[in-house]
Amino acid sequence: GENVEQHPSTLSVQEGDSAVIKCTYSDSASNYFPWYKQELGKRPQLIIDIRSNVGEKKDQRIAVTLNKTAKHFSLHITETQPEDSAVYFCAAMHSSASKIIFGSGTRLSIRP
Amino acid sequence: SQTIHQWPATLVQPVGSPLSLECTVEGTSNPNLYWYRQAAGRGLQLLFYSVGIGQISSEVPQNLSASRPQDRQFILSSKKLLLSDSGFYLCAWTPRGRDEKLFFGSGTQLSVL
Repeated sequence: GENVEQHPSTLSVQEGDSAVIKCTYSDSASNYFPWYKQELGKRPQLIIDIRSNVGEKKDQRIAVTLNKTAKHFSLHITETQPEDSAVYFCAAMHSSASKIIFGSGTRLSIRP
Repeated sequence: SQTIHQWPATLVQPVGSPLSLECTVEGTSNPNLYWYRQAAGRGLQLLFYSVGIGQISSEVPQNLSASRPQDRQFILSSKKLLLSDSGFYLCAWTPRGRDEKLFFGSGTQLSVL
């Protein structure tokens, strides 16, 4: 089955700097890769996603890149702000399998 | 618009007691439904998912079970809770078809004492 690995587990960056979180997946048939942000005690919220027919997607300060050959994808947050502090999860899904497998999460802290 | 309801928000149960968590989705039909568990400070572990009424796939063998008695209702149960069952339980759904976006319920914080 699918296995998703996520690094780093914790990340601290200076406000205004960029943050990068990386994930790898094992099932080459996976074709959908969402990213979620979870604040303390809250539900995870979808922030951006990418499908396997696209190499990069951007939404304001957030971007995701996908390398299908290497089976890895990354989340990039530019000009970080205090409200970006949260736990971020990557995930992978194969449409026909119907299940979404998550990485172990990255706790991002933004230093003022 | 579609919404997902999950209850209760918090639950404190003694070891050995039964469990029933309920989740319902509104504004859509024939969704895929999921139960995830999150231990304190940990990741999201897929427990069960369902692609239709009565169809349950189990990802992790344990003392939990799931049922889908109606199209938009998903129930997580246990006959006898263990201490290790404590955690944050999240119900989630995706629409059927190509749009796989997963939406989570508000979660149930379960403490087994």
